[in-house]
Amino acid sequence: DAGVTQSPTHLIKTRGQQVTLRCSPKSGHDTVSWYQQALGQGPQFIFQYYEEEERQRGNFPDRFSGHQFPNYSSELNVNALLLGDSALYLCASTQDNEQFFGPGTRLTVL
Amino acid sequence: GEDVEQSLFLSVREGDSSVINCTYTDSSSTYLYWYKQEPGAGLQLLTYIFSNMDMKQDQRLTVLLNKKDKHLSLRIADTQTGDSAIYFCAAEGASNTGKLIFGQGTTLQVKP
Repeated sequence: DAGVTQSPTHLIKTRGQQVTLRCSPKSGHDTVSWYQQALGQGPQFIFQYYEEEERQRGNFPDRFSGHQFPNYSSELNVNALLLGDSALYLCASTQDNEQFFGPGTRLTVL
Repeated sequence: GEDVEQSLFLSVREGDSSVINCTYTDSSSTYLYWYKQEPGAGLQLLTYIFSNMDMKQDQRLTVLLNKKDKHLSLRIADTQTGDSAIYFCAAEGASNTGKLIFGQGTTLQVKP
């Protein structure tokens, strides 16, 4: 089992650009959550997808959107990037109350 | 609102026990978690406890839960240098949908 995988590992963008991050959950996991972790902070919940629909959303603006595919993989899209969007973006997949995290994508906005 | 707080730093000697503390505000949290994060890496699930339990032991790890005081602790026995990392406490948010509320993390430094 490959565990939760994310791509790319690192990304550099400029303000105003758009970015798409990708996540593949652990085999058999149907629920995917996305978190943003700023430097020196704990992860903050962005949203969660289940059965291809957004089930719950944290306190993030509409610039943050997502998608889940029939194979349970997921994408996080961020539009109109701001400097403050620079962070580690973590994807987690869930089964039986255990939430497993991927290695994250480090996004730097210049 | 939902909040989780942890002390920011703990330093111990190799071989000693480490105790990392956490408090949370949402009394409806069903599950409480401990994660470990090493530099440049994602989060590793260490253990979790169901809210109707007082204690859970898993090898060198012991989790204690005081639900009345909304206090959670993680004890690491015989702490090793490889245990040096940031430890996050997380509470499941309301509605039991898997949204986790994380603390700021406790940096554990283990001195040889």
